Amino acid sequence: AQSVAQPEDQVNVAEGNPLTVKCTYSVSGNPYLFWYVQYPNRGLQFLLKYITGDNLVKGSYGFEAEFNKSQTSFHLKKPSALVSDSALYFCAVRVHGGGKLIFGQGTELSVKP
Amino acid sequence: KAGVTQTPRYLIKTRGQQVTLSCSPISGHRSVSWYQQTPGQGLQFLFEYFSETQRNKGNFPGRFSGRQFSNSRSEMNVSTLELGDSALYLCASSLEGKGAVDGYTFGSGTRLTVV
Repeated sequence: AQSVAQPEDQVNVAEGNPLTVKCTYSVSGNPYLFWYVQYPNRGLQFLLKYITGDNLVKGSYGFEAEFNKSQTSFHLKKPSALVSDSALYFCAVRVHGGGKLIFGQGTELSVKP
Repeated sequence: KAGVTQTPRYLIKTRGQQVTLSCSPISGHRSVSWYQQTPGQGLQFLFEYFSETQRNKGNFPGRFSGRQFSNSRSEMNVSTLELGDSALYLCASSLEGKGAVDGYTFGSGTRLTVV
């Protein structure tokens, strides 16, 4: 069965420091991976995706993610965190053959001044 | 261009009633998916429609149903509401061009409260 795990419920970072939000996946075949961010009482905003090609994917708002096939990971990173980055982050994998996304449980990112 | 529009934003219903939620995708997008978000279960896939046909279905009871119209707008219906159906219901649309794997654009959701 395909699944996504985000091992940390919460990540705390000081403003200006680098941040990492972890994601591991389990899929059959080549994975299609996504990161989304959710602000309170809002829907999900697309950050970036990995389909194929370069393992380092650049996305919106200065975020990037590194695909590691051997470790089945797709960690989200940002070199310098902002207080406005504080939100709930979701990693997701797309099921092949359709428009179904399987989400991780989410990681609450808190960036303090 | 306009994003994904979900109506209504908030809804309060009584146990046993039924409810219909609406989703208008981005113009030109042919795939519409629905998700239920709750604190306990997280984000769970309900179903996906593509060109008016249900292409994928999640593990929800038959009380949850949906449909898609020729203009790609979609509705989901929940009959005989239970307290546990209280959730944020999110709709997502995707272009699904040939050979492409697109990102999904989500609406702001409908917050359903069952009392």
